[in-house]
Amino acid sequence: AQTVTQSQPEMSVQEAETVTLSCTYDTSESDYYLFWYKQPPSRQMILVIRQEAYKQQNATENRFSVNFQKAAKSFSLKISDSQLGDAAMYFCAFQETSGSRLTFGEGTQLTVNP
Amino acid sequence: NAGVMQNPRHLVRRRGQEARLRCSPMKGHSHVYWYRQLPEEGLKFMVYLQKENIIDESGMPKERFSAEFPKEGPSILRIQQVVRGDSAAYFCASSPQWAGGSEKLFFGSGTQLSVL
Repeated sequence: AQTVTQSQPEMSVQEAETVTLSCTYDTSESDYYLFWYKQPPSRQMILVIRQEAYKQQNATENRFSVNFQKAAKSFSLKISDSQLGDAAMYFCAFQETSGSRLTFGEGTQLTVNP
Repeated sequence: NAGVMQNPRHLVRRRGQEARLRCSPMKGHSHVYWYRQLPEEGLKFMVYLQKENIIDESGMPKERFSAEFPKEGPSILRIQQVVRGDSAAYFCASSPQWAGGSEKLFFGSGTQLSVL
């Protein structure tokens, strides 16, 4: 079974600074998808960024980028120029290409200090 | 186009009562997924349904929990004889088709179930 581990329960960053959230996973699959979701206090799950394992190029979405290290099974999220609205719980998630379910990590609570 | 609608947003039940959680997928979506989020934890997969079919219920507890997605109407997650350990946020997500690796998976805002 796949597992996803987020080793940082809490992180904080100063506004306009850069922060990196860590995620590691375990799988025997060679092809899969990885995601970062944001969950603000409203509880809404918002997709931040998505990476396909067969693509070597790291995904980017505006201020959000990932560092995907397939051999190390690591998938970290970098948030540049942090904004107050970035404060939320962030979840890393894994999905097999043949499956439908998402396996989530335990989450990292990000605080952005003004 | 309204998003995934879940109701109620908050549900309080006493031990032994039944809880019924509703999920109306986005218009045009025929696939529904239910996840449970216990306090201080990530979301855990429960069940995947298409209209009138349960595709994958491997994450569903064997007793007291059931789910359906009828041809007409919302998907229902039903918990019979609730216990305190059922207290959690229950999320529904929908997609227009099988959402393998797709960004076309949309989540609702969840139902917070509190069991007294």
